[in-house]
Amino acid sequence: EVHLVESGGGLVKPGGSLRLSCAASGFRFSAFKMHWVRQAPGEGPEWVSSISPSSSYIFYADSLKGRFTISRDNAKNSLFLQMNTLRADDTAVYYCARDPTGGDWLDPWGQGTLVTVSS
Amino acid sequence: NFMLTQPHSVSESPGKTATISCTRSSGSIANNYVQWYQQRPGSSPTTVIYEDNQRPSGVPDRFSGSIDSSSNSASLTISGLKTEDEADYYCQSYDSDNHVVFGGGTKLTVL
Repeated sequence: EVHLVESGGGLVKPGGSLRLSCAASGFRFSAFKMHWVRQAPGEGPEWVSSISPSSSYIFYADSLKGRFTISRDNAKNSLFLQMNTLRADDTAVYYCARDPTGGDWLDPWGQGTLVTVSS
Repeated sequence: NFMLTQPHSVSESPGKTATISCTRSSGSIANNYVQWYQQRPGSSPTTVIYEDNQRPSGVPDRFSGSIDSSSNSASLTISGLKTEDEADYYCQSYDSDNHVVFGGGTKLTVL
């Protein structure tokens, strides 16, 4: 069974940094494009970033303005999101998700990790 | 880039059919596949339709997807509504820059 487990969320002050992790199991992680998506409280999902299987192609939402960095370690079946200069409007549940076909859709999603940016 | 616009809410009675639309603001809806996700309160989104009209295994055939080039929109249709179908539904596509685009979501109430 495909399983994605995010970790690393928590409370951080504005301007701070946080590194999220996503542990993958149940599939050949190195063969799949992966995504990060976030969902602010009471809002719909917002795509954050994607990374190709070999990390050759990386894409970010324009709104992030270079503050976030996606990476992966195929040897450890892990996906990461480094978030810097965090702001209050970055507060959200952050999900990692597999891209089943490389066609920019998401299935499955992890259970999410909550990031709260507040002083 | 384009936006995907969904109605804020849809209500229908059990046993009836509900249809949720997703209108693309620019460019043809047929250019890029559309997916639909269901999200129940407190849970992560799950796929109910992918690649316009494909149903993942385990999703009942009461769920169907379509696209309409004349209205430049995609639709999710749920027939034989059950109370368990009550959830938020999001359409999703992608643009030419490989950016994923979500619709704003539709709250389906089955009452």
